[in-house]
Amino acid sequence: DTEVTQTPKHLVMGMTNKKSLKCEQHMGHRAMYWYKQKAKKPPELMFVYSYEKLSINESVPSRFSPECPNSSLLNLHLHALQPEDSALYLCASSQGLRGNTEAFFGQGTRLTVV
Amino acid sequence: EDKVVQSPLSLVVHEGDTVTLNCSYEVTNFRSLLWYKQEKKAPTFLFMLTSSGIEKKSGRLSSILDKKELFSILNITATQTGDSAIYLCAAQNYGGSQGNLIFGKGTKLSVKP
Repeated sequence: DTEVTQTPKHLVMGMTNKKSLKCEQHMGHRAMYWYKQKAKKPPELMFVYSYEKLSINESVPSRFSPECPNSSLLNLHLHALQPEDSALYLCASSQGLRGNTEAFFGQGTRLTVV
Repeated sequence: EDKVVQSPLSLVVHEGDTVTLNCSYEVTNFRSLLWYKQEKKAPTFLFMLTSSGIEKKSGRLSSILDKKELFSILNITATQTGDSAIYLCAAQNYGGSQGNLIFGKGTKLSVKP
């Protein structure tokens, strides 16, 4: 199983809503990532978790709150987002932050903030 | 500052053509280089290259890394319309401010029938 599963696939939310994006993998990977991708741009790293601990936070606004409840799950909690936060949010995982291993991406959640 | 530069940014070819996509990198503590194909949503993994001069092949796609000159190429032979996509190159380092992957801007390939 080389799959990273993200839910929901699409999400429309208002600026006052609270929602969560979910990511799951069962490959035994210990590093998990959130990326944000705007149209016609490459993915931009948001957060990195290594062994369920936040390893990197790329100066992401606090209205995005990641959570790693266990080694298979990664959540991204959203609150008071802005229309410019509309983007494709990609989750990825890899065996770890050391060694030569590729990252596997989920299909993404297409988020629209209205 | 770590960077990955891809060229060309976009390319239009006809079915049956052979294309070469370029990726150069300047990355501290370089570990490996990865190629991804992105159609409508998530990037799909194509190749990971860690050693210079060793070609990796998968069907009509092949890729090679030159660690001395700091670049990689992705070749696609006998292109098909299904090859139309954005091809992303990413350099992987041993940590650093960008985490594990530093992406280029991508090459948008359009294959016309």
